[in-house]
Order: sequence, then structure tokens, then C-alpha cells
Amino acid sequence: DQQVKQNSPSLSVQEGRISILNCDYTNSMFDYFLWYKKYPAEGPTFLISISSIKDKNEDGRFTVFLNKSAKHLSLHIVPSQPGDSAVYFCAASLGRGKLIFGQGTTLQVKP
Amino acid sequence: GAGVSQSPRYKVAKRGQDVALRCDPISGHVSLFWYQQALGQGPEFLTYFQNEAQLDKSGLPSDRFFAERPEGSVSTLKIQRTQQEDSAVYLCASSSLRDGAGTQYFGPGTRLLVL
Repeated sequence: DQQVKQNSPSLSVQEGRISILNCDYTNSMFDYFLWYKKYPAEGPTFLISISSIKDKNEDGRFTVFLNKSAKHLSLHIVPSQPGDSAVYFCAASLGRGKLIFGQGTTLQVKP
Repeated sequence: GAGVSQSPRYKVAKRGQDVALRCDPISGHVSLFWYQQALGQGPEFLTYFQNEAQLDKSGLPSDRFFAERPEGSVSTLKIQRTQQEDSAVYLCASSSLRDGAGTQYFGPGTRLLVL
């Protein structure tokens, strides 16, 4: 039972354009959502988060949108840079820090 | 400051061997988590410590898996009688707040291969 799903295994965009990564979830009890970025042979690095009581959070080039009625969140990266090429995981929290991760989306930003 | 460190970075074990994986969290971090990441998947929660207390071990896949954090800092994940399905990257994360709150900072992981 996959509670957090990232249905696109990969995404390729041109440098300078927008990258949109999507995530769907099934459990309406999740109270917090996060995006992590992972380079090969490294651990996931925290990018941005959003509380379930909000619908948007922005940090520099990164914006996360939450649509609770659709149980959907997305990460927008504008403008995309080659250094953004990595695997992106969305995660959801049920409290007490237990994170449920999606399968990941590999983003490639082409120069 | 130093981040979360894990050792060894790579471990090859023969089926049936016992292994011990170490995690050094960020100094002063109260909460510590272990996750297992299979190839091509996202990390899956194994267990959570607040200081030395193991408050959630619901993700441990079998009684062959055991974790401890006796002094509330360094943690060890032990896997007894390893099986091939235990092959994965084991990630440790820590956060500064109680009750598992706060941003989780991950270590580089230990890649375990069971032959």
C-alpha cells in the first residue's frame, strides 16, 4: 500500500525553464509534507516543506504547492539549473517524525 | 559543523552473517531515525529514538533487526543472520527537536550487500 506516490520516474527540462515535480498521497491524516533532493552516493538533503494547513510555500527558486482536496503536491523549480539534476523525493509525515517517502523522480536539467 | 556520519560506507556480508551499522548524529540532536532504501525506491522508516528511548520500532522488518542508542548519541543498527533481501542502503537521520519534529538531516548511508 503506497501512501505517497511519485508517478513520473524521470523528468528532463532545459536550463532556465520551469521544472514541475508531482506527488500524490492517499492518507488525509498527513500533517506535513517535505521535498528532499538526493545526489548519488549521498544522503537526501532537505529542500522545502509545507504544513497541511497551508497551500503554498516559497523559498528562493523553489515553491511547493499543496492541493488537499486532490491529495496532490508539487514542487516548482524556476529557473532550473544544471546543478538541480538529482533525484527528488516527496515525503509526508504522520507525526513523531515518521516520514513516508515516494519512489523518487530523477530530474535532468540540460544546459 | 559536522553533519550526520555513518560507518562503514559499504559492507559486503555473506548470507547468515551478523552486521552492525553505526550512526553518529549531529551533536546535540535529540531525535534519531533509521531508514532502509532498496534500489530504485524511496527510503522506508525503520525506527525512531528520542535520546536513548526507542519510541517507535514499527518499521523493523523482522526480529533479526535490532537498534540501540544507549547513551542518547551514537546509534547502532544490527542485523542478525543476514539474508539477500536485506541488501539495501541504510540511512540514518537526526533532528534537533523532540517528538521527531524538526527537519531531518540525513547521513550518506551504508550500502549493504548480502551475498
